[in-house]
Parts: sequence; structure tokens; C-alpha cells
Amino acid sequence: ETGVTQTPRHLVMGMTNKKSLKCEQHLGHNAMYWYKQSAKKPLELMFVYSLEERVENNSVPSRFSPECPNSSHLFLHLHTLQPEDSALYLCASSQSPTSYNEQFFGPGTRLTVL
Amino acid sequence: AQKVTQAQTEISVVEKEDVTLDCVYETRDTTYYLFWYKQPPSGELVFLIRRNSFDEQNEISGRYSWNFQKSTSSFNFTITASQVVDSAVYFCALSEYGTDKLIFGTGTRLQVFP
Repeated sequence: ETGVTQTPRHLVMGMTNKKSLKCEQHLGHNAMYWYKQSAKKPLELMFVYSLEERVENNSVPSRFSPECPNSSHLFLHLHTLQPEDSALYLCASSQSPTSYNEQFFGPGTRLTVL
Repeated sequence: AQKVTQAQTEISVVEKEDVTLDCVYETRDTTYYLFWYKQPPSGELVFLIRRNSFDEQNEISGRYSWNFQKSTSSFNFTITASQVVDSAVYFCALSEYGTDKLIFGTGTRLQVFP
């Protein structure tokens, strides 16, 4: 595997379900990110992790719970979501969480909340 | 406040035409970085270029070229002799010095028809 991988690629869940999104980076990077991409809206940064510590929580509702067990893996735990949470969730990584470094993105998980 | 505006939501061209994607940004910082990303139908954003605010030289990479003008706060992207494989959504993004946030525009969908 190379780059940034995400599983699953597609997920359909009910509002009462609990599910998790997984992201893995094979680039030796120290920073990882979760973004939400909704139709006709800019990408929204949700969380930033640097060396497994959360350094940014961009006012995300508590029904989204991130976890970073090590610098290569990032999870997004989902529970009691709303239909408006349906979106493409993108994971990214970079060498470090600084303004200079480009971010490398995974293919995303297309989430549908019924 | 930081903001990135991509006024063109969708552009359609025929193969071999040149096309320019516009990007206008707002920032109060004197040090910042500008990026372009490509999002093909597969979903992952692909990094294309990064410029820092002190380097206004235009850049050319194959059929791609970028025009950075601080006087008009613009960072436009031109594809010369477009090809069907260029069809994608293109995002312009801004990162201010010392932050870990990428501020994205809403993207421009480019469709290149054979």
C-alpha cells in the first residue's frame, strides 16, 4: 500500500448506528487530518493530529469522535449521526502540521446517513 | 479573515482548448502559502503546486502554469491544450504562516470533452 488509504470507501448507516472510519498513511508523516466535503461547500477541516496528539478541533459536534493510536493510523468514530452529516470524509497527512507542508489525501469515505 | 474564492463553479471546454481557473484570496498576513489541488472522480485530492507569498514568479510545469499576482490577490491556474484526463474538480487553498489550517475554495469543476 502506498500513500493514504481509507476504509470503507462507502458507508450507509442509520441515525442510531455506531460506525468507524479508518485512515492509514504509509508516508512516514507526523500529522493527520480529517476533512468533511459536502456538496457545494468548501472542504471543512474537522480535526488535526500531530504525533498522535489532537492539536485542532474545529468546533465539531461530539457525535464525531477521532482517535489516533499512532502516527500512521487515524479513526473517526461515528454515533447518532444526522442526515446532514452525509458527506465525503477525507483523511490527509503531512510531514508536520505547519502551513508550509502540502497535505496528501486519501480517496475518502462516502457516508450516507438515513 | 482568510477566504478563498473560486467564482467559476463549472467550466466546459473541448479538448486542446486552453482554460484558466481563477482563484482570489483574502488574508491579513504577509506570509502565507497558496496551493492548488486536483480532485479526480476517484475522490482523493492530488497536490499540484505550492507558492509562498514572497515568490511571485510564475511557474510552468508541462501543460500547467500558474500566475500569482499579489496586487490583485489572485493565483490563477491555466491548463494549455486541455485533455479529457484533465476533467476534475480543482481546488485553490490558502494557509497562513504559523497555522495548521488549509482554507479551501469551493472548487471549479472542469469538464473536457473530446
